[in-house]
Amino acid sequence: SQKIEQNSEALNIQEGKTATLTCNYTNYSPAYLQWYRQDPGRGPVFLLLIRENEKEKRKERLKVTFDTTLKQSLFHITASQPADSATYLCALDLTGGGNKLTFGTGTQLKVEL
Amino acid sequence: DVKVTQSSRYLVKRTGEKVFLECVQDMDHENMFWYRQDPGLGLRLIYFSYDVKMKEKGDIPEGYSVSREKKERFSLILESASTNQTSMYLCASSNDRSGLSEAFFGQGTRLTVV
Repeated sequence: SQKIEQNSEALNIQEGKTATLTCNYTNYSPAYLQWYRQDPGRGPVFLLLIRENEKEKRKERLKVTFDTTLKQSLFHITASQPADSATYLCALDLTGGGNKLTFGTGTQLKVEL
Repeated sequence: DVKVTQSSRYLVKRTGEKVFLECVQDMDHENMFWYRQDPGLGLRLIYFSYDVKMKEKGDIPEGYSVSREKKERFSLILESASTNQTSMYLCASSNDRSGLSEAFFGQGTRLTVV
């Protein structure tokens, strides 16, 4: 069955370091992948979208890579800050159209002073 | 800014009650979605709609129905609430079906069924 995997263990890093989160998927070749941020008790907020023909996408301190051979996306936050602490979700449309997103379970990031 | 508004942040209902969760978006989006989010399971799609009076089942539609009488409003209905429907419910909207548009989420409704 189609599956999206994110590391369920929380990632703790020191302020100023680069955080790297992983999203792996199986049994599908999506045309794009999205990353969202979710704070406790709130709805997810869109961060970045990367298409299958893009290897890398950047937005300020955020960088996303997309390796369709490995079926993996990496999400990087450089110069991390305590305010970056949140859960980060990756999402794919596994049905080939219609923007029906399937989400990973998310990885909780904690940035410590 | 796009705003997706869910009618309640917190809701407590009794087993067997009929429950209505309302969602309104203000950006004339075509697509609307209802998800539930549970620890360890992530967001799971319940129902979605691409147009007024149109609805399609998502991955976990059992025990739920939806209504979309107006473009901006998408309601989730729990026909007879059960304790296993205790969850965080999230409504989302997006602009087109190409898949290249982001989803905008509401703030969520935490429903407890007792």
